[in-house]
Amino acid sequence: SQTIHQWPATLVQPVGSPLSLECTVEGTSNPNLYWYRQAAGRGLQLLFYSVGIGQISSEVPQNLSASRPQDRQFILSSKKLLLSDSGFYLCAFQDRNLYGYTFGSGTRLTVV
Amino acid sequence: SQQGEEDPQALSIQEGENATMNCSYKTSINNLQWYRQNSGRGLVHLILIRSNEREKHSGRLRVTLDTSKKSSSLLITASRAADTASYFCATPRRRSDSSYKLIFGSGTRLLVRP
Repeated sequence: SQTIHQWPATLVQPVGSPLSLECTVEGTSNPNLYWYRQAAGRGLQLLFYSVGIGQISSEVPQNLSASRPQDRQFILSSKKLLLSDSGFYLCAFQDRNLYGYTFGSGTRLTVV
Repeated sequence: SQQGEEDPQALSIQEGENATMNCSYKTSINNLQWYRQNSGRGLVHLILIRSNEREKHSGRLRVTLDTSKKSSSLLITASRAADTASYFCATPRRRSDSSYKLIFGSGTRLLVRP
């Protein structure tokens, strides 16, 4: 079966510190991968998507970057966090044979 | 910008009642999807309706699509306290590389009172 793992679940980081959030997918090959951010009580904003290894597209200018070193691994990073980077980050994948997205359980990031 | 916009933003009903949530979108689509999110968790795909479909059912869920009005509705019948969650509609938007990305609305927060 197809599964997605995202960690950590919660993270508190000081301003200026680096960030690395990891997402891995199982049970599918060559999926489309996505990073979304969700502000409190709001909808989802697409940050990055990837259609293959090393292929990253950024949707909005920001302090974050993404990488896909392996087919089923998607990493969200920052060299220096800002207070405005706080939020709920969701990783998702789309099997190329299906329309729907499968989401990870999310990471609550608080920058202090 | 968000493609789909749900209304109401929040809905509070009694257990056993039906809950109806609406979604409007702006551009033409080939499908529309509904997702559910429990507080502090990831989203779960509920149902997809294609542009050539007008209505679709899945258990207690009923989704309608009116492409002429660019709107969709999600009906949850005989609601339960466990249905308490946020519900999002999502529509695909074509990218420059001809692939698609899902654009989510801001969601409807549903509270089902026991």
